[in-house]
Parts: sequence; structure tokens; C-alpha cells
Amino acid sequence: DTQMTQSPSSLSASVGDRVTITCRASQTISRSLNWYQQKPGKAPKLLIYSASSLQSGVPSRFSGGGSGTDFTLTINSLQPDDFATYYCQQTYNMPLTFGPGTKVDIK
Amino acid sequence: QLQLQESGPGLVKPSETLSLTCSVSGGPTKTSSYYWGWIRQPPGKGLEWIGNVYYTGLTYYNPSLKSRVTTSIDTSKNQFSLELTSVTVADTAVYYCARVRDFSYHMDVWGKGTTVSVSS
Repeated sequence: DTQMTQSPSSLSASVGDRVTITCRASQTISRSLNWYQQKPGKAPKLLIYSASSLQSGVPSRFSGGGSGTDFTLTINSLQPDDFATYYCQQTYNMPLTFGPGTKVDIK
Repeated sequence: QLQLQESGPGLVKPSETLSLTCSVSGGPTKTSSYYWGWIRQPPGKGLEWIGNVYYTGLTYYNPSLKSRVTTSIDTSKNQFSLELTSVTVADTAVYYCARVRDFSYHMDVWGKGTTVSVSS
């Protein structure tokens, strides 16, 4: 299986901050990397697919980058609605696997 | 607007079979552009992919669950289903169904999730 790691596991930030979350795959996955946002008690929501493509309806302050094994999710000018847990997911190899998540909370 | 809704028992006894259905509205399940998937999340933990089913009945499963999992699709009813046999307490989780884009396998529409507890 392709193991996914995320760093940090949690972070505290203020509204307006720029936040970057890193995701690393245990083997190369090309650009087959997606990012999801999940709020407590809610289903995950797709933000970014194929490493850097913004899902329709997602604010442009979210951006993704990377290829191979190392990827980033950046949130420019963090908004109150962005406090949540973020998961990366690789879809290059079966089984599809998720990272452990990064919780973003209010400083 | 496509919507997915999970349904099924909220409580299952150990060793029994967990059965869930995902009803799709606002679009067809018989589409060559998407798979239909199941994902679960144990309390306080991360996401685990269970499996995908295509409108033809083609399936892909997580090897960690493969011996116990069956997914099926009924395009005439516009729904797909999950069966997980021989459940244990470790199968207690929120179960989500989702639409899965073909080729890239990203999950762009999710159901709200249903909580399944395994307990005697």
C-alpha cells in the first residue's frame, strides 16, 4: 500500500494567515493527489484534485502543488470557515489511501 | 444537483452482516464517467477507503477488507450497496458513500454519512 503522511498533524493560525500543509507519499504517485476538508460531524469536501486543480465552487484562496512524493495545500488569507481538518488522498495505486489529517484551529 | 443518501441499520451485532444502501438523486448511476464508492471513518480517526463499484458491476476493494466486502449497484433503482460480513467492534464507524471520478478517482460528491455501531 502507498502510505501517506501529513505535517503538521495540527496547527493553530489566525484569520488572515497563510497556511501550508504538507503531504508525503511513500512512493511516487505522479500528480494523483487530492485534498479534502472535513468539519466536525460533516462529510469530507473535495478541495483540490490531481494535485493542483481547484474543484468547482472552492474559493481561490485554496491552492495545491507538488508531484512525485511531495505535495502541499496552501490556504491564502485563512478565513473563519477554513478551520477544519484537511486530508490528502492518493489515487495512483490501489488501495486508495488517505493521510492521517491536519487539524487547523484558531490561535 | 447530485445528492447521495446512505441508509441502513445503525446497530449491528458482532459476527453479523452490515448492509448499507446509497440512494442517488439528481443524476444517473449508469454513467461511464464515474464509479460509486464507500469510505468509512471510525470515531475520532481518519478516512479509510472500502471499495468502488462501476455501473457495469466492476468492483475494486481495499485488500484489508476484501474477504468480507461486497459492493453492488442497481442502476434501475439508482442506488448502490455495501455488505460487510463478520463484523466486529472495529467496524464501528461513520460510513460514507461518494461519487468517484473515473481515471482520477477523486471523490467529488459525498453523502452525509451514516453511523454504524457494532455491539451486542
